[in-house]
Amino acid sequence: DQQVKQNSPSLSVQEGRISILNCDYTNSMFDYFLWYKKYPAEGPTFLISISSIKDKNEDGRFTVFLNKSAKHLSLHIVPSQPGDSAVYFCAASLGYGNKLVFGAGTILRVKS
Amino acid sequence: GAVVSQHPSRVICKSGTSVKIECRSLDFQATTMFWYRQFPKQSLMLMATSNEGSKATYEQGVEKDKFLINHASLTLSTLTVTSAHPEDSSFYICSASMSTGNSPLHFGNGTRLTVT
Repeated sequence: DQQVKQNSPSLSVQEGRISILNCDYTNSMFDYFLWYKKYPAEGPTFLISISSIKDKNEDGRFTVFLNKSAKHLSLHIVPSQPGDSAVYFCAASLGYGNKLVFGAGTILRVKS
Repeated sequence: GAVVSQHPSRVICKSGTSVKIECRSLDFQATTMFWYRQFPKQSLMLMATSNEGSKATYEQGVEKDKFLINHASLTLSTLTVTSAHPEDSSFYICSASMSTGNSPLHFGNGTRLTVT
């Protein structure tokens, strides 16, 4: 049973526009959500996180929104840049610094 | 920022041999480290949780006698793939978080293991 789902395998966006990456989860006990960016043959790089007590967290071009009632979170990247092209993983955990459950990932391509 | 170093980045070994992968937290202490595996075009799957000074906790379906984990200090955890087989070929990634405070998990750059 996949507890964290990213239903879009890929997304293509024009440079300068907004990228919206979506993630759904099934375990209502998750209270910490993170987004990671990953290139092939490298480890994931932490981007942004959000605690379940919040519904929005912003860091520069990256904003994460959390809708607990819908068990849904999204990552917005504005404006998108070609260097943002990578695989984005959504992850969830029970508390900070604990083991993460990952989604399947979404390949983002930003076209210039 | 927190840095996790993993070594080696790539290793090729013959079937039946053992391979050791090291994971170090470079500028912080990590009571707990996590080992993940990623098969091509798939997500990262947790293999085990490595606890400093105690036995690792393995996820269901992961053979503890095959994937030996040692967490001898607050900055080093090792994963040894014993009697490796071609199906063990994968991308292995470790992660760690600081022992204190609210900190996200930081990942190493991974180890590409190819068993021939």
